[in-house]
Formats: sequence, structure tokens, C-alpha cells
Amino acid sequence: GQSLEQPSEVTAVEGAIVQINCTYQTSGFYGLSWYQQHDGGAPTFLSYNALDGLEETGRFSSFLSRSDSYGYLLLQELQMKDSASYFCAVRTTNDYKLSFGAGTTVTVRA
Amino acid sequence: DGGITQSPKYLFRKEGQNVTLSCEQNLNHDAMYWYRQDPGQGLRLIYYSQIVNDFQKGDIAEGYSVSREKKESFPLTVTSAQKNPTAFYLCASSIEVGGEQFFGPGTRLTVL
Repeated sequence: GQSLEQPSEVTAVEGAIVQINCTYQTSGFYGLSWYQQHDGGAPTFLSYNALDGLEETGRFSSFLSRSDSYGYLLLQELQMKDSASYFCAVRTTNDYKLSFGAGTTVTVRA
Repeated sequence: DGGITQSPKYLFRKEGQNVTLSCEQNLNHDAMYWYRQDPGQGLRLIYYSQIVNDFQKGDIAEGYSVSREKKESFPLTVTSAQKNPTAFYLCASSIEVGGEQFFGPGTRLTVL
């Protein structure tokens, strides 16, 4: 099976930088995805890493180290609208479906 | 506009009744999924389908059933065998299994 670990909560002020770590254990790793979910809403895709390194998309960046079974999502120039839950998800090679972590709730304060 | 629709948004049922949740997509995606989300928790996979007339059990399939008779539709039935059915149910689709998933708005089911 797969297991993913990420912090349950992070609080930061507007304009700050937040890093959400995700460590995973899986048999047959294909890639790591990140999704954002506002309270009561639908998750939306943020990023996907299949290879080691940093992927940048605007204020958000995602990093992967396959050798360390570790990735992170970096949120820069935090805004109030970034208050949400963020989930990492592993795609495996045996069946290719996603397994989600429990999520990190980010609270942005003024 | 392309997207995924789920209906209804809120659903109430009495214990012991089966209930079917609707999921429709017009994105022309082959793969579709059903997840369950409980308060403060992540998404757990119930069933997924890679193609029409095919579906696979996810991690928590007991007490649930699905069908995939059309590419656009992937309804989920919550049966009376599901011991704790009250939850937020999310449907998603992707071009292929494991690819970027697009989620519907969800159905919040409460069993009284």
C-alpha cells in the first residue's frame, strides 16, 4: 500500500512564505501531485512532479526528490485567498491511480 | 462549458435506505473516480473506472456499488451495507487513470 505524511496545520501572515512537506512510502512511484481545496469546495489541481527538481507556477512551486521519497509545495507571497487545505497525492506504477495524503490546512492571517 | 456535475449538493436519507449519487462529465475523459471525504481528512478512493463498462474497487469499496454504462456518467450507490455513510462524496475524472483530476462540486450525504 501507500502512505503519505504531511503536517496537519500551518499558520502564516499575508505576504509570508509557507512550505508544506510531504513524505511518502509506496511500492512503485510514478509522480507526486498537489491539490488545493477550499472549505466545502472541490479540490483543484495545482502541480505535478514526475522528475526530481522544482516546478514553478506563479506564486506556487513544487519540488520532488525521488531518492528521499519527499516533496514539498511552496506558497509565496501568501494571500488571504490561499487559506485552504492542500493535499499531496502519489501516483503509483502498479495501477496508476492516486493516493491522497490527509491534507494540510493553511490559515493566512492579516 | 466543460466540467463535472454532481447532484444533489445535499442529500438526506434514512438509515437502511440505498441512495444513488449522480456524476456526469462532458470533458470526454476516459477515467472517472469516486472519493469519500470525512471531516478533517483526506480523500479516500471508493471506486474508479478506466473506461466504459469497466470499474475497479478502490481502498474502501465495501457497502458501495457503481456502474459505467456511458462514458459521461459514473453513478455511485451507497447501500444499506455501508456502516457509516454520512460523508462528503466527490466525483472526479481525468483523461487517463492517474492523470490530472478534475473534481465535481461534491454531494454531502447525511444518513439519519
